[in-house]
Amino acid sequence: QQNVQQSPESLIVPEGARTSLNCTFSDSASQYFWWYRQHSGKAPKALMSIFSNGEKEEGRFTIHLNKASLHFSLHIRDSQPSDSALYLCAVSGGSALGRLHFGAGTQLIVIP
Amino acid sequence: EAAVTQSPRSKVAVTGGKVTLSCHQTNNHDYMYWYRQDTGHGLRLIHYSYVADSTEKGDIPDGYKASRPSQENFSLILELASLSQTAVYFCASSDYYAEQFFGPGTRLTVL
Repeated sequence: QQNVQQSPESLIVPEGARTSLNCTFSDSASQYFWWYRQHSGKAPKALMSIFSNGEKEEGRFTIHLNKASLHFSLHIRDSQPSDSALYLCAVSGGSALGRLHFGAGTQLIVIP
Repeated sequence: EAAVTQSPRSKVAVTGGKVTLSCHQTNNHDYMYWYRQDTGHGLRLIHYSYVADSTEKGDIPDGYKASRPSQENFSLILELASLSQTAVYFCASSDYYAEQFFGPGTRLTVL
């Protein structure tokens, strides 16, 4: 059974800071790795995904995946108040049948 | 943009009553999902389906039933609502191992 853990649970950073969010998973056969973002009162929405070891950058956001360490992370450069949200990591593949396993989330607050 | 709609958007139910939450997608996706989210927490999978007329149990199926009468529609049924089922419920759809698109959510309060 897949176990997905996120850290930290919450994070408060000043505007302009570099923010790092972490996610670990337990099924070494996992294949697809996602970050979803959920603003307060809204639906979750996919932010970025990565399918192979290494790094992927999109604007101010970077995902880093290390399958051997069962770990992936999201890094936000030049954090903005609009980045304040609940960040959810999710993993699929392996023994799952097309479903995602979500972590409990990291609540990010960016202070102007 | 993918479109997933849910109804009702909010619901107040009495303990022991029956509640049906509906979800409709126009994405032509095979997969549909029902999640619950408790305040400030992540998403927990209740039921999902990858083909019409078939449903699968997720991680927390107890107290919930699901129905997938067509590719577009997926319902979540609480036969005997309980206080512990107060939460926000999200429906989502996706292709196989692809991005999930979420509906706006239904806020359910059981009194």
